[in-house]
Amino acid sequence: GDSVTQMEGPVTLSEEAFLTINCTYTATGYPSLFWYVQYPGEGLQLLLKATKADDKGSNKGFEATYRKETTSFHLEKGSVQVSDSAVYFCALSENQGAQKLVFGQGTRLTINP
Amino acid sequence: AAGVIQSPRHLIKEKRETATLKCYPIPRHDTVYWYQQGPGQDPQFLISFYEKMQSDKGSIPDRFSAQQFSDYHSELNMSSLELGDSALYFCASSLRGSNQPQHFGDGTRLSIL
Repeated sequence: GDSVTQMEGPVTLSEEAFLTINCTYTATGYPSLFWYVQYPGEGLQLLLKATKADDKGSNKGFEATYRKETTSFHLEKGSVQVSDSAVYFCALSENQGAQKLVFGQGTRLTINP
Repeated sequence: AAGVIQSPRHLIKEKRETATLKCYPIPRHDTVYWYQQGPGQDPQFLISFYEKMQSDKGSIPDRFSAQQFSDYHSELNMSSLELGDSALYFCASSLRGSNQPQHFGDGTRLSIL
């Protein structure tokens, strides 16, 4: 079945550092790819998405590019802030049939001032 | 903008009791999803509904059932509760379509004593 693998955390960085969280996927079709963020005690918020190969999703300084050749969707941000501290989930949804989300295991990010 | 509303936010039950979780999707969204997130884990898909009909089923125990009503709100009914059912239960809603993102509620935290 479909699966998503994220780099293991937790990840701790200093403010203004460069961030990369790796995400790779396995899917039988051509999925849509998503990054969700979960702040403590809250639900999941959509951060960005990409629906086809070479699409770049971006939001709030975060970016991720849909790489079909490497089946990857790595999350990047050039300069992180303390407010970016949260758990980040990479997820996929098949484009045909069932559209449930399949999540990676999540990466806890802590940004120190 | 209106978001997905879940109630209650917190629920404490004892083993073998029953529980009902409610979800009110974003207006005009026709698809509802339920997910279960154990402590420190990624959300796992339980079940989904499209236009009041079950559209997909995941790892939902037989003790659980769900439905979507004519006003599109959904309820997750859980019986014979077990300690392992303690988790965050999220509802998400979306428009039908391969690229439509799912929008999550803040979840119901269910604790089984």
